[in-house]
Amino acid sequence: KAGVTQTPRYLIKTRGQQVTLSCSPISGHRSVSWYQQTPGQGLQFLFEYFSETQRNKGNFPGRFSGRQFSNSRSEMNVSTLELGDSALYLCASTRGGQRNTEAFFGQGTRLTVV
Amino acid sequence: DAKTTQPPSMDCAEGRAANLPCNHSTISGNEYVYWYRQIHSQGPQYIIHGLKNNETNEMASLIITEDRKSSTLILPHATLRDTAVYYCIALMNYGGATNKLIFGTGTLLAVQP
Repeated sequence: KAGVTQTPRYLIKTRGQQVTLSCSPISGHRSVSWYQQTPGQGLQFLFEYFSETQRNKGNFPGRFSGRQFSNSRSEMNVSTLELGDSALYLCASTRGGQRNTEAFFGQGTRLTVV
Repeated sequence: DAKTTQPPSMDCAEGRAANLPCNHSTISGNEYVYWYRQIHSQGPQYIIHGLKNNETNEMASLIITEDRKSSTLILPHATLRDTAVYYCIALMNYGGATNKLIFGTGTLLAVQP
C-alpha cells in the first residue's frame, strides 16, 4: 500500500510569508503527527491530530498550526516565516486508536526561508 | 516520558553485529522501548519495540535488561546501508503516545567496509 506522502518536497519562501505543507497518511491511519528537524535542535515534535482534533502539542509558538480533514489528510501552516523556520518538516501516521503500533514517516518537506 | 541516553556515535565493521546501547533508568512500568533509525535526509524508520521480553524481527533484536533500566539493539550482520542515526525512545502505553515521539540525539552508527 502507499506510504505517507508529503507535498511539496522542497519549498523556498521569504521571511514574513506564510506556508502550508500537506501530508497524506497511510490508508486507514487516523493519527497524523508533524515534526521539525533542524541541525541545531534535532527532531522535535510539533503536534498530533486524531479524528480531526489536535490531541497532543509540542512546545512551538502559535505561528505553527495544523488541521486534519475528515479523510485524515493533514496540513500544517507556518505564518510570518522566520529564518529559523528553515528545516525539514516530517509527517508521520499511525492507526491512532491502538497501542504498541509503529509510526510511519514521510520523506519530508525541506523548507528554506530566505 | 522517560529520558533515554545513547552514545553519540559508534563504528561497526561490515558483516559484524552492531550492538547499540540505550539507558532508560527512569522508565516506568507501562513505558515501551521503541527504536527508530534515520538514514541521511530520509524520514525515520521504525525498527522494533518491546516492554520487558526480548524481541526479534527481520531487521533486529532488542534485548531489555531484567530491571528495564537499559536495552541493546542488535543488528546481526551490519551492512553499509545500516549507516544511520539510531534513536531509542521510551513511550507510554496508550494509543496517542505512539505518534508523539520525543527524539533524543541518537547514536550515529557508521558501518565501515
